[in-house]
Amino acid sequence: NAGVTQTPKFQVLKTGQSMTLQCAQDMNHNSMYWYRQDPGMGLRLIYYSASEGTTDKGEVPNGYNVSRLNKREFSLRLESAAPSQTSVYFCASGGGQTREQYFGPGTRLTVT
Amino acid sequence: SQQGEEDPQALSIQEGENATMNCSYKTSINNLQWYRQNSGRGLVHLILIRSNEREKHSGRLRVTLDTSKKSSSLLITASRAADTASYFCATAPYYNQGGKLIFGQGTELSVKP
Repeated sequence: NAGVTQTPKFQVLKTGQSMTLQCAQDMNHNSMYWYRQDPGMGLRLIYYSASEGTTDKGEVPNGYNVSRLNKREFSLRLESAAPSQTSVYFCASGGGQTREQYFGPGTRLTVT
Repeated sequence: SQQGEEDPQALSIQEGENATMNCSYKTSINNLQWYRQNSGRGLVHLILIRSNEREKHSGRLRVTLDTSKKSSSLLITASRAADTASYFCATAPYYNQGGKLIFGQGTELSVKP
């Protein structure tokens, strides 16, 4: 039982490059989330998926796209990376009755 | 914008002392949760308190909730060096929207041996 896994752990991109962050959960949760964490800003929700087949924008969706591939997997894509997207990205799953969330270990992304 | 505001932003104490962190929020909630984040790791759920509860305990953790003041506090008793981490409150809004939580900016706790 791995919980929530994320790949890659670290990534360096040049401005304008694209990449996809992968997330998978094995807890049979319906909901999945992508956050970014920046110093002094706490966690900000980028996109979420309340159930398989649905996705919705969060607080800071600009510059990102997501795909809920199946119940287990939720990917985040940066089409044209910008230095402002340098951050730590966390995937989470959960959203049951208590809405408790389970987090992955994070991806540290640097855009130069 | 973030609903939760945490106070203090940073707290440094000696081992054995108690640590108290506060969280304020703006809208009606279903529940309020506290999470812990060790340096370089993901967040881990600590404790949840429902809107109709006033106090909850779990081991050395005590959480209070005052819905009239829209505030909560987390008390860690007899702190240990291993408690050094960032602590975040998260509110579950009354109207569920995809199970979303709104996180505060966190309190950075340092416990010195």
